[in-house]
Amino acid sequence: GAVVSQHPSRVICKSGTSVKIECRSLDFQATTMFWYRQFPKQSLMLMATSNEGSKATYEQGVEKDKFLINHASLTLSTLTVTSAHPEDSSFYICSTRGTGFSYEQYFGPGTRLTVT
Amino acid sequence: GQNIDQPTEMTATEGAIVQINCTYQTSGFNGLFWYQQHAGEAPTFLSYNVLDGLEEKGRFSSFLSRSKGYSYLLLKELQMKDSASYLCAAMDSNYQLIWGAGTKLIIKP
Repeated sequence: GAVVSQHPSRVICKSGTSVKIECRSLDFQATTMFWYRQFPKQSLMLMATSNEGSKATYEQGVEKDKFLINHASLTLSTLTVTSAHPEDSSFYICSTRGTGFSYEQYFGPGTRLTVT
Repeated sequence: GQNIDQPTEMTATEGAIVQINCTYQTSGFNGLFWYQQHAGEAPTFLSYNVLDGLEEKGRFSSFLSRSKGYSYLLLKELQMKDSASYLCAAMDSNYQLIWGAGTKLIIKP
């Protein structure tokens, strides 16, 4: 399967600051990447689909001006949480979709964001 | 609407067999995935079913019935390391994954 990395793995920031999370596809070119958020003891919530070279598609209820997504190359997508607040504290996970028949998604290791 | 149902939590004994059920309702269907997620980590892919029947992969097997909107994940010879959450996800007609809330599996010695 595909290898996906995320950086940083953990970040603590103060309320009102912005945080950038990087997602890299290490061994294949990902035209599509997905950004998820997961609160404790809850399932994955898709935030947006990131398409290389075009604007991301955001899910209903996700503020596109607060969660900025840039997918400038086939191996890198970034999620910037702007003006972070404590309620944005969560586990953020990116994934890439395989190009095979099964369309399985391969996940990065996740980023634990804590906003104080 | 689209919906995935799976039990919240299950408990089993080391060495035993456990079956985790999942029912789904989606707009169109392009397959059913199972993922394993250990606490604090990202999900890892376990299986994919798009045709009816049982797919076996080592100690893990996954079953699908499209007519019933039903799948299960069967784990045999349970090991302590199998303690994790198991996520069921169905792919709809737009190739979007609809995720269940996950089943937390607790393995006891």
